[in-house]
Amino acid sequence: GAVVSQHPSWVICKSGTSVKIECRSLDFQATTMFWYRQFPKQSLMLMATSNEGSKATYEQGVEKDKFLINHASLTLSTLTVTSAHPEDSSFYICSETSGNYGADTQYFGPGTRLTVL
Amino acid sequence: EDQVTQSPEALRLQEGESSSLNCSYTVSGLRGLFWYRQDPGKGPEFLFTLYSAGEEKEKERLKATLTKKESFLHITAPKPEDSATYLCAVHTGTASKLTFGTGTRLQVTL
Repeated sequence: GAVVSQHPSWVICKSGTSVKIECRSLDFQATTMFWYRQFPKQSLMLMATSNEGSKATYEQGVEKDKFLINHASLTLSTLTVTSAHPEDSSFYICSETSGNYGADTQYFGPGTRLTVL
Repeated sequence: EDQVTQSPEALRLQEGESSSLNCSYTVSGLRGLFWYRQDPGKGPEFLFTLYSAGEEKEKERLKATLTKKESFLHITAPKPEDSATYLCAVHTGTASKLTFGTGTRLQVTL
């Protein structure tokens, strides 16, 4: 399957600072990437859908001004958590799929553990 | 609203003790059902995609089946390395969004 990398794998920051997480597709051009967050012992919750060259589509309840997503190329999407607070501490995971429609398989990155002090 | 329910929440098996995990779904227009394995602190690893009722797929000790209302992940003669959380997800509608269940935490002991 597809290979997805994330950087950093973990980050600790102070409250009020911004953190950028990168998601890279290493072996094919991903037209669509997804960002999820996962709290301990809970399942994945979709935050937003990122399409190359266009604005991201955010899920209900996700603040677009707080979680900035940029998908500038077919191999890179970034998630910036702005003015992070302790409640933003979570496991953030990206995924990619090669198509926009149909039951395309999503391949996930290894995740980024964010801890906000 | 699409709903995915997995059971049991947790399962403890002895090595070699076969069992099944359940994923029941209530969706409008299923376009695909996915099984993933997730190890602690890692992203989900793709296992199977099932598209239509009656479809079955196998990989080593795992076999996934699909009906119109649920999917089963059968684990035959599990080994300790099969210990993980198994996630089920459904794809509906025209967008490629997935809705995940809460997972089954499987522990296989010697």
